[in-house]
Amino acid sequence: AQTVTQSQPEMSVQEAETVTLSCTYDTSESDYYLFWYKQPPSRQMILVIRQEAYKQQNATENRFSVNFQKAAKSFSLKISDSQLGDAAMYFCAYRSVIQGAQKLVFGQGTRLTINP
Amino acid sequence: DTGVSQDPRHKITKRGQNVTFRCDPISEHNRLYWYRQTLGQGPEFLTYFQNEAQLEKSRLLSDRFSAERPKGSFSTLEIQRTEQGDSAMYLCASSPEFGQGPFQETQYFGPGTRLLVL
Repeated sequence: AQTVTQSQPEMSVQEAETVTLSCTYDTSESDYYLFWYKQPPSRQMILVIRQEAYKQQNATENRFSVNFQKAAKSFSLKISDSQLGDAAMYFCAYRSVIQGAQKLVFGQGTRLTINP
Repeated sequence: DTGVSQDPRHKITKRGQNVTFRCDPISEHNRLYWYRQTLGQGPEFLTYFQNEAQLEKSRLLSDRFSAERPKGSFSTLEIQRTEQGDSAMYLCASSPEFGQGPFQETQYFGPGTRLLVL
């Protein structure tokens, strides 16, 4: 079974600075999807960024980018120019590409605080 | 696109009572998922539908839990004889079927139903 580990329960960063959230995972599969979701306080979970394992190029979405190290099974999220609205719980998630194996496997989450 | 909606948003019940939650997925999505999230933890998978067929169930889904998606549109999750350990946020998500574009592997979440069992 796949597992996802986020080793940083809490992180904080000054507004406008850069922060990196860590995620490692364990799988025996060679192809899969990885995601970062953001869950603001009392609000619904939204997708931040996704990565297909077969793609070597790291995904980017505006101020958000990932460092995908397949051999190390590492998938970190970098947030540049942090904004107050980035404060949230961030969850790393894994999804198999095997037909029928649709579930997301989530890490424990990292609570990100933005200091003004 | 109105997004995934869930009803009710909050539910307080007494131990032993039955509760039912509803999820309306994004209209063109034929895959629907239920997750449970306890405080300070990541969501855990409960079950998954493709159209009206329930294709996967987690071991977390005890006999007291039942989910349906009778017409392949909205879904309901019922918990019978609730226990205090059932207190959690119940999340619903939906996604397109394979072949329906680049976002087929992405699940879109609703706001959740927060259940408190007294």
